[in-house]
Amino acid sequence: DVKVTQSSRYLVKRTGEKVFLECVQDMDHENMFWYRQDPGLGLRLIYFSYDVKMKEKGDIPEGYSVSREKKERFSLILESASTNQTSMYLCASSSTGGLNEQYFGPGTRLTVT
Amino acid sequence: GESVGLHLPTLSVQEGDNSIINCAYSNSASDYFIWYKQESGKGPQFIIDIRSNMDKRQGQRVTVLLNKTVKHLSLQIAATQPGDSAVYFCAVSIYNQGGKLIFGQGTELSVKP
Repeated sequence: DVKVTQSSRYLVKRTGEKVFLECVQDMDHENMFWYRQDPGLGLRLIYFSYDVKMKEKGDIPEGYSVSREKKERFSLILESASTNQTSMYLCASSSTGGLNEQYFGPGTRLTVT
Repeated sequence: GESVGLHLPTLSVQEGDNSIINCAYSNSASDYFIWYKQESGKGPQFIIDIRSNMDKRQGQRVTVLLNKTVKHLSLQIAATQPGDSAVYFCAVSIYNQGGKLIFGQGTELSVKP
């Protein structure tokens, strides 16, 4: 059974803190994605990665960075958390070919106070 | 680019009735379409997909219809059950975009017993 896991379900951080969100997939997928989900705005792509050490900006990369040192792990980093980064963060993965479905993790609800 | 919209943010149906959830997309180059279901507190789950060379695809109690002429996609759920209550998203991708998906904002389906 395919599985995408995220390091935390709920996280509370203070403004200015550095925040790490971890995502691990066990399907040997090449592609990994980070989204944020906000009411009324749907899922918005932050960053994605096609391969180890490769990354591409999505639609809303400002204030975020990513790291992919191993194929199965994709990390999202908030260098200095701000209150407008309070959101649900979803990680997903897919295989190459470009037409395969993305598998999602359970999400991390981040609150920045 | 591509934009994806849903016709109704909410839909309420009686248990046992059929549900139809609609989605519109803008880019005629879009060639792969997916429906996801997201239950409260969980990540989106794949329901069914369809490629642009098809008009209809059926799964267990679900059917996806694709009308490329008017750029319209629909998800039909037969004999809707309380367990179908969730938010449903359509997602669209374009060939050679590296597996990136563009998501609609979601329709919240409520099933009345």
